[in-house]
Amino acid sequence: AQSVAQPEDQVNVAEGNPLTVKCTYSVSGNPYLFWYVQYPNRGLQFLLKYITGDNLVKGSYGFEAEFNKSQTSFHLKKPSALVSDSALYFCAVRDITDKLIFGTGTRLQVFP
Amino acid sequence: DVKVTQSSRYLVKRTGEKVFLECVQDMDHENMFWYRQDPGLGLRLIYFSYDVKMKEKGDIPEGYSVSREKKERFSLILESASTNQTSMYLCASRGGGPRDSYEQYFGPGTRLTVT
Repeated sequence: AQSVAQPEDQVNVAEGNPLTVKCTYSVSGNPYLFWYVQYPNRGLQFLLKYITGDNLVKGSYGFEAEFNKSQTSFHLKKPSALVSDSALYFCAVRDITDKLIFGTGTRLQVFP
Repeated sequence: DVKVTQSSRYLVKRTGEKVFLECVQDMDHENMFWYRQDPGLGLRLIYFSYDVKMKEKGDIPEGYSVSREKKERFSLILESASTNQTSMYLCASRGGGPRDSYEQYFGPGTRLTVT
């Protein structure tokens, strides 16, 4: 069965430091992977996706994600965190019926 | 830009009331979805629709129904609201053609409280 896991409920990082939000997946066939961000009391905003091609995917707001097939991971990264990056982040994978399966979310807290 | 709107940002209803949540998208998307979001559980799919008048159950359809009479509008109905349906409800849409790569576009959400 398709699934996605976000092992950390919360990630804390100081402003200016690099950040990583982890995601692992289990899927049959080639994965389609997504990251979304949710600011307080808002809907989800699309950040980036991996369909095929380069393993390093660049997205909005300076975020990038690295697809690692051998580790079945798709970690979200940013070289230098901003306080305004503080939000809830969701990883998702497309399942065989074309729906998205979402992880439980990781709250990113960036401290000044 | 794709725009998905939801009829209410905040809603308070009483137990037993019939509740309608409306969602409208402006990009002629075939696919529309209703999720509920609860802390620690992520997003769970309630119902989705691939076309007008078509609906499919998601993972947690119990206590809900949907209506899609027009392509741009997808309604979620709580026939008799209960306190365990207090949640954030998110609507999303997605195109269905070969150029689409499956990302969904979300509305701002409706925070429903059932008392």
